[in-house]
Amino acid sequence: EVQLLESGGGLVQPGGSLRLSCAASGFTFDNYAMSWVRQAPGKGLEWVSTISATGISIYYAGSVKGRFTISRDNSKNTLFLQMNSLRAEDTAVYYCAKVAPPLAALDFWGQGTLVTVSS
Amino acid sequence: DIQMTQSPSTLSASVGDRVTITCRASQSISSWLAWYQQKPGKAPKLLIYKASSLESGVPSRFSGSGSGTEFSLTISSLQPDDFATYYCQQYNSYWTFGQGTKVEVK
Repeated sequence: EVQLLESGGGLVQPGGSLRLSCAASGFTFDNYAMSWVRQAPGKGLEWVSTISATGISIYYAGSVKGRFTISRDNSKNTLFLQMNSLRAEDTAVYYCAKVAPPLAALDFWGQGTLVTVSS
Repeated sequence: DIQMTQSPSTLSASVGDRVTITCRASQSISSWLAWYQQKPGKAPKLLIYKASSLESGVPSRFSGSGSGTEFSLTISSLQPDDFATYYCQQYNSYWTFGQGTKVEVK
C-alpha cells in the first residue's frame, strides 16, 4: 500500500524558514518523480515544485523560485522541501504527491501538513 | 505559463443527475490533462489522466473527454459520495490546476 506521510509544518514568523519532509513507503521510491502541492485556506490547489526520480531535474513555480528548495534522499525514501524567506501568502496545507511516469499526473497524495506564516 | 479555467465554479445538482464540468487551457496541451476529486479536509484523489483514461478503482460513472484546449469531466449519474470539489490539471508544461468546481446538493 502506497503511503506518503508529511511532517514539519507549523507556525513560523514572516521571513523565517521551515523544512518539510515526506516519508514514502509501499512503492519503489527512487523510480518516481515527486511533487509538492499547496492549498491556502479555502482556496484551490497550487503546484509548488517537482523533482525527478534521480534528483537531477528540478522544477519550481514562479511564486517560490529562489526561496524554496526541493530535494530527496532515495536511501531513506524521503522527500524534502526547504522553505526560506517565508511570507504570509505561503500559509497553506502542503501536500507531497507521487508523480506518474514520465512526468505526468499526481497519482497518490499524502494527507498534508499545515504551514502558517504569521507574526 | 499555461492557465487553466474551469466552469462553472459551483454546480448545484441532485443525486442521479448527469453532471458536466468543463476546463479550458490557455494554449494547446494535447491530452496532458488530469482530473481530481477533493473532499473537505482530505487530499485530492486522481480520477482521470491523459484526458480520458480512468484511474484504477475509480467508478465508471466518471468519464473525461477533450483534447487541445477544451476538456470536460462528466459524472453520468451523480451519487451521494460525489459531492465534492473537482480540479483539472495540465501537465504539458510543468503543472497547473484549474480553480476548482464545487458540486453541491441542489
